Amino acid sequence: EAGVAQSPRYKIIEKRQSVAFWCNPISGHATLYWYQQILGQGPKLLIQFQNNGVVDDSQLPKDRFSAERLKGVDSTLKIQPAKLEDSAVYLCASSKPLGSRGLGGYTFGSGTRLTVV
Amino acid sequence: QKEVEQDPGPLSVPEGAIVSLNCTYSNSAFQYFMWYRQYSRKGPELLMYTYSSGNKEDGRFTAQVDKSSKYISLFIRDSQPSDSATYLCAMSTSNTDKLIFGTGTRLQVFP
Repeated sequence: EAGVAQSPRYKIIEKRQSVAFWCNPISGHATLYWYQQILGQGPKLLIQFQNNGVVDDSQLPKDRFSAERLKGVDSTLKIQPAKLEDSAVYLCASSKPLGSRGLGGYTFGSGTRLTVV
Repeated sequence: QKEVEQDPGPLSVPEGAIVSLNCTYSNSAFQYFMWYRQYSRKGPELLMYTYSSGNKEDGRFTAQVDKSSKYISLFIRDSQPSDSATYLCAMSTSNTDKLIFGTGTRLQVFP
């Protein structure tokens, strides 16, 4: 089974520029998540999709961050304009339906490391 | 107060030592408790999973949950250099897939 694919692996941009990250979840996983992991901290959920609908985006800074999941498969996370404090690793994860999270059903990608200078 | 507190370490131990990693939490609604291992420049991978209170053992790893004290632990026996990584505790309630993570404890096992 292929894992969660993310690209790019690394990105360096100047503040106020825009950037986009891409995620391809495990085939058949209906739920997709974007987490932000700042250096020295645990991951924090930004947005959760169930198929192509948003389940939870309560911690997404909507003035600058946006995300979409077209056709319930791939997803894109965008930041515009970027701030210095957006420097972090952006992790995508996917899972099977509710209740399977502990059965190996919640898988993370390797992340995109963003540096804003 | 953060929902989940975890000692960031770093923790440095010799090969073969028993390692104890701990987290405390404040939300009594948490029902699912997980430990993830994260190697450098990789995403977290699920190590152990426990529902509600109790112990769970898997090889050299034992996870314990004490809901009365809002305290969870991960024990690693006979630690190996390959165990060197950051260990993250994570929790969720019964009606959501959202995970709340601790800050992670960096562990180094030296030969």
